[in-house]
Amino acid sequence: DVKVTQSSRYLVKRTGEKVFLECVQDMDHENMFWYRQDPGLGLRLIYFSYDVKMKEKGDIPEGYSVSREKKERFSLILESASTNQTSMYLCASSRGGRAEYEQYFGPGTRLTVT
Amino acid sequence: DQQVKQNSPSLSVQEGRISILNCDYTNSMFDYFLWYKKYPAEGPTFLISISSIKDKNEDGRFTVFLNKSAKHLSLHIVPSQPGDSAVYFCAASPQGGSEKLVFGKGTKLTVNP
Repeated sequence: DVKVTQSSRYLVKRTGEKVFLECVQDMDHENMFWYRQDPGLGLRLIYFSYDVKMKEKGDIPEGYSVSREKKERFSLILESASTNQTSMYLCASSRGGRAEYEQYFGPGTRLTVT
Repeated sequence: DQQVKQNSPSLSVQEGRISILNCDYTNSMFDYFLWYKKYPAEGPTFLISISSIKDKNEDGRFTVFLNKSAKHLSLHIVPSQPGDSAVYFCAASPQGGSEKLVFGKGTKLTVNP
């Protein structure tokens, strides 16, 4: 059974804190993604990684960075958390090479920044 | 500028009837379309997809129709079941092999028993 896990389901952080969200997949997928989901805005891509140490900005990368040191792990970093980064964060992975390969999502991390 | 639009934030249908969820897109370079379903407190799961070279794809109770000239696709669920109650996201993949998806805002479907 394919699996994408995220380190926390719920997280509360203070403004200005550095926040790490971790994602691990066990399917040997090349691609990994970080999205945020907000009411009325749908899923928006923050960053995409197509290989170890390789990354591309998505639609809303400002205020975020990512790290992919191992194929199975993709981290999202909020360098200095702000209240407008309160959101549901979703990690996904997919096989590489074709856009048709479905993305498998983790359960999400609900981050609240106070 | 929103490239994938789901203009109905919500839809309510009776059990056993047909549910039709709509999606419009503006970028004619999109060549692959997918539908994802999301329950509360879970990540989205893939439901069904269609290539731009087809106009219909069917999988059990789920059928996706693509009208390229109108830049419109729809997801039909027949018959609808209470367990289908979820948020449905339409997504599109740009031509050229990009593996990133552009998602719509989602439509919340409620199927009443």
